[in-house]
Amino acid sequence: SQELEQSPQSLIVQEGKNLTINCTSSKTLYGLYWYKQKYGEGLIFLMMLQKGGEEKSHEKITAKLDEKKQQSSLHITASQPSHAGIYLCGADSLGNFNKFYFGSGTKLNVKP
Amino acid sequence: EAQVTQNPRYLITVTGKKLTVTCSQNMNHEYMSWYRQDPGLGLRQIYYSMNVEVTDKGDVPEGYKVSRKEKRNFPLILESPSPNQTSLYFCASSFKTGRTDTQYFGPGTRLTVL
Repeated sequence: SQELEQSPQSLIVQEGKNLTINCTSSKTLYGLYWYKQKYGEGLIFLMMLQKGGEEKSHEKITAKLDEKKQQSSLHITASQPSHAGIYLCGADSLGNFNKFYFGSGTKLNVKP
Repeated sequence: EAQVTQNPRYLITVTGKKLTVTCSQNMNHEYMSWYRQDPGLGLRQIYYSMNVEVTDKGDVPEGYKVSRKEKRNFPLILESPSPNQTSLYFCASSFKTGRTDTQYFGPGTRLTVL
């Protein structure tokens, strides 16, 4: 089965600081998705990456997929309290594209 | 407004009492899926459906049933709930089956089985 490992598991940063969350796959990724979840609430789609070397940005969040398509990073610039939550990476299964896997998530707290 | 709705949002029940969590989407999506979220384990897929009358198991299907009789609805049925099914459940949908399509998630159902 597809395995997605996220690091760090949790992160506390001072407001205004930059941070990076990583997602590593045991297998080559076809599509890698980033979601954000506010504690106890639903998931909000952030970005999807498909091509090796691809990079996408939305406001202060940038996501990258490495050339080998096995690792993705999510970078937040000048963090704000509104960035707090759980960040999850997700991916389609290579063997069965109707199955979907998530990493265990990274809990982010931003101190004002 | 395009959305995925789940009901109930919160449910406390007792072991063995059958329950159904409903999921409905108004986006004419083909694909729907159920996940459970547990601390330290992330989200794990329970069942998914590629279209009406087409469903298949995810990674953790034991103890759950689903049906897809209409395109918009995908209920999750726990025929004999047990305490290890206490979890946060999410329903999701996407326009088409297969890869590279974004899933939209419902707000979640927090289930406690005593």
